[in-house]
Amino acid sequence: ELKVEQNPLFLSMQEGKNYTIYCNYSTTSDRLYWYRQDPGKSLESLFVLLSNGAVKQEGRLMASLDTKARLSTLHITAAVHDLSATYFCAVDISTGNQFYFGTGTSLTVIP
Amino acid sequence: DADVTQTPRNRITKTGKRIMLECSQTKGHDRMYWYRQDPGLGLRLIYYSFDVKDINKGEISDGYSVSRQAQAKFSLSLESAIPNQTALYFCATSDLRATTGELFFGEGSRLTVL
Repeated sequence: ELKVEQNPLFLSMQEGKNYTIYCNYSTTSDRLYWYRQDPGKSLESLFVLLSNGAVKQEGRLMASLDTKARLSTLHITAAVHDLSATYFCAVDISTGNQFYFGTGTSLTVIP
Repeated sequence: DADVTQTPRNRITKTGKRIMLECSQTKGHDRMYWYRQDPGLGLRLIYYSFDVKDINKGEISDGYSVSRQAQAKFSLSLESAIPNQTALYFCATSDLRATTGELFFGEGSRLTVL
């Protein structure tokens, strides 16, 4: 059974600080996705990581993928309030285009 | 208008009732999915379909059924709703031909079973 684990589940951080969210998964995959969900809203695609060593950056967020360690990270630099949301990682099982999601990390950025 | 549209957006029903959640998309994608979101559990795959004639069970298909009426339409049914099916349901699509293969989500359907 595939497991996708995120930590922390809850993160409260001050504006201007840096932090990293971790996503571990239990089976072979070279396709990993990060999504953002605002309260009561749908999920929005943030990053698509398609190979070992892939790194993507958008504004204050940077995502990376290490397929050998089965680990992806989402790094937040100098957090701002607008980044408050829930962040999900999702793994695509190579054999069938099935996406399995982590439990999500609820981020609150405090002014 | 949204590319992936779900109806209804909110529904309250009683135990034992039959419920259908509908999803339509204008993205031209061949792959469609139904997910369920519960607090602390993330999103779990209920059913997915790679084309009109291809329907597959996900990790939590018991108590649910689906119908792919056309490439653009994918419906989820609860034949006899029970309270633990209270959740937020998302339809999603993806494009077989796209390099990235990411999911595109509808706005969600919040279902409450009393």
